[in-house]
Order: sequence, then structure tokens, then C-alpha cells
Amino acid sequence: DAKTTQPPSMDCAEGRAANLPCNHSTISGNEYVYWYRQIHSQGPQYIIHGLKNNETNEMASLIITEDRKSSTLILPHATLRDTAVYYCIVRVLGSGGSNYKLTFGKGTLLTVNP
Amino acid sequence: NAGVTQTPKFRILKIGQSMTLQCTQDMNHNYMYWYRQDPGMGLKLIYYSVGAGITDKGEVPNGYNVSRSTTEDFPLRLELAAPSQTSVYFCASSFPRDQETQYFGPGTRLLVL
Repeated sequence: DAKTTQPPSMDCAEGRAANLPCNHSTISGNEYVYWYRQIHSQGPQYIIHGLKNNETNEMASLIITEDRKSSTLILPHATLRDTAVYYCIVRVLGSGGSNYKLTFGKGTLLTVNP
Repeated sequence: NAGVTQTPKFRILKIGQSMTLQCTQDMNHNYMYWYRQDPGMGLKLIYYSVGAGITDKGEVPNGYNVSRSTTEDFPLRLELAAPSQTSVYFCASSFPRDQETQYFGPGTRLLVL
């Protein structure tokens, strides 16, 4: 799996958009970008994933650069409940085998301030 | 649709005691997983299952056992609790063709004294 780099922490004002960057400069052509988050004391939560096109769902938008070497997760209107550690993961879809586990790096602690 | 549920939420065990952590999912996922997360650390895979009757070891299986008699349930058994097993345990599930989209339960906090 390609290595990812994220800033350790970010702040965002409540109601504003939160833009969380992820660098994955060694990504290969068949690797997807996945985003998860973990709110304190809760289980990780899947947010969104994409290959090369921008994606949007009810939680967030994912913007992947044309060269696919970086991406940005956008929470359009951050709330206090969005305070969490956000993880960017790069994986080949269905890579399974002995590689079933999700490997979370250190992620970005997003703090949404009132 | 409750998703992935885990019981109990919290438990204190004495060294040498045994217990079973329960995990149930109602999404008809074939794949299920058990992770542990130590304070400030990432997830470590304990065991996983690709379907009823099929289980396999993850990266930290020692001291644990699992069974998968139904699609819905994937209990984790601790036979002789040790302080090193103090952790938060998460169960997760996914569809076979999208193992990267895993749905996690709320976790069980276990303290072994």
C-alpha cells in the first residue's frame, strides 16, 4: 500500500468548511483513496473513497488531484461533532488475502471550535 | 438496521478469568474482523472471518479464539485474561468485494487487573 502523509492537527470554526489534505505521491494506478474518521472513544467510521474522479456523499466530498498524488477531504459545514481523527488510506480494491486489516497511520486531529 | 453491535461496552476482568466478547451485524456481510486498539495506538487485527465456518489469524491472535457459526455473529473468546489484553476491542464487517469499506461496532473496553 502507498504511504500517506497528513498534518497532525488542524482547527476549523463551526459552520465553516474543513479541508483535510493527504499526500500520497507514490500511489499506483489501481489504488483507491479511502477516508475514515475516529471520534474519541468510538469505532472508526468510513467516510468516502475514490479512484480518480471527485466524489461526494452525504458526509463529505473527496477531491483527488489530476496526478493523483494528493487529495483533500472536505466537510462542507463542520460541526462540533466532526471533531475526530481523520485517516487517509490508500489501498488496492479487494486486496484482501493476508492483507485484510486496515492500516491507519497517525491521521489528522480535526478540532472544530465553536 | 442496527449495523454492528458489540456487548458488553465495558468489563473488568481479573487475571486468569475468561470471557466472550459478542459481535453481531445485520448487514449480511460475509467478512468480519476483530481488532484491538491500545491507548494512542493504531488498530491491530486479531482474527478475521470470510464466512460462516471460516476463520483465520490476524497479526496478534495469541490469547484469543473465535468462532463463526452464523453469518451474523462473530464472538471473540479470551481464555486466560492477562494485563496485556487490556485494550479496546472493535468488531467490524464488510462485503467481500469491498474489504476496504469496513463498518465498525462501538467497541468493548476491557480492563484486566
